[in-house]
Amino acid sequence: KAGVTQTPRYLIKTRGQQVTLSCSPISGHRSVSWYQQTPGQGLQFLFEYFSETQRNKGNFPGRFSGRQFSNSRSEMNVSTLELGDSALYLCASSLGQGVAGELFFGEGSRLTVL
Amino acid sequence: GQQLNQSPQSMFIQEGEDVSMNCTSSSIFNTWLWYKQDPGEGPVLLIALYKAGELTSNGRLTAQFGITRKDSFLNISASIPSDVGIYFCAGQLLSGANSKLTFGKGITLSVRP
Repeated sequence: KAGVTQTPRYLIKTRGQQVTLSCSPISGHRSVSWYQQTPGQGLQFLFEYFSETQRNKGNFPGRFSGRQFSNSRSEMNVSTLELGDSALYLCASSLGQGVAGELFFGEGSRLTVL
Repeated sequence: GQQLNQSPQSMFIQEGEDVSMNCTSSSIFNTWLWYKQDPGEGPVLLIALYKAGELTSNGRLTAQFGITRKDSFLNISASIPSDVGIYFCAGQLLSGANSKLTFGKGITLSVRP
């Protein structure tokens, strides 16, 4: 059973640019969550999608957005990049909402903003 | 909002030693999860706990769901060099359709050969 796949694994952007990251969840998983990880800050929750709808949102500015497609694949977008957006962006999938269960993470997309 | 406390930020142990990590919260959870993250990788689930008082083992790892539902601990016995990594605890409180996980900031474990 394939795991969570994130693309690209690494990318470098400059301030002011925008970036789109992609996530394919485990087959059969309908919920996708996104996290930002920076040194010292741990895993900061960005948002969660279920059935193409954003169900939960963390405390990030509107420059961070996402969406989910009918096949449960998800993308997140960051516009007008800032230096502080440099981080590892992790996607995680789970079976569904309202279900006690584990999140399964991808390997992440490491974004460097210059 | 909910916060999970993991301390210390770093731990250094000798190969072969046992180590215990705590995770505490000001709020109750009905699921506790422990993850390990290797450098350059995403977190990998180690143990999931679903019931207060539950004690679960996975090889050399043992974790417990605190009776108060506000804490959990992870114990690693007979540590080996590949135990090096960041250990995160996560709590989940199911409320209707809301099942968001809250993560601690992690403990970086170093194992000296």
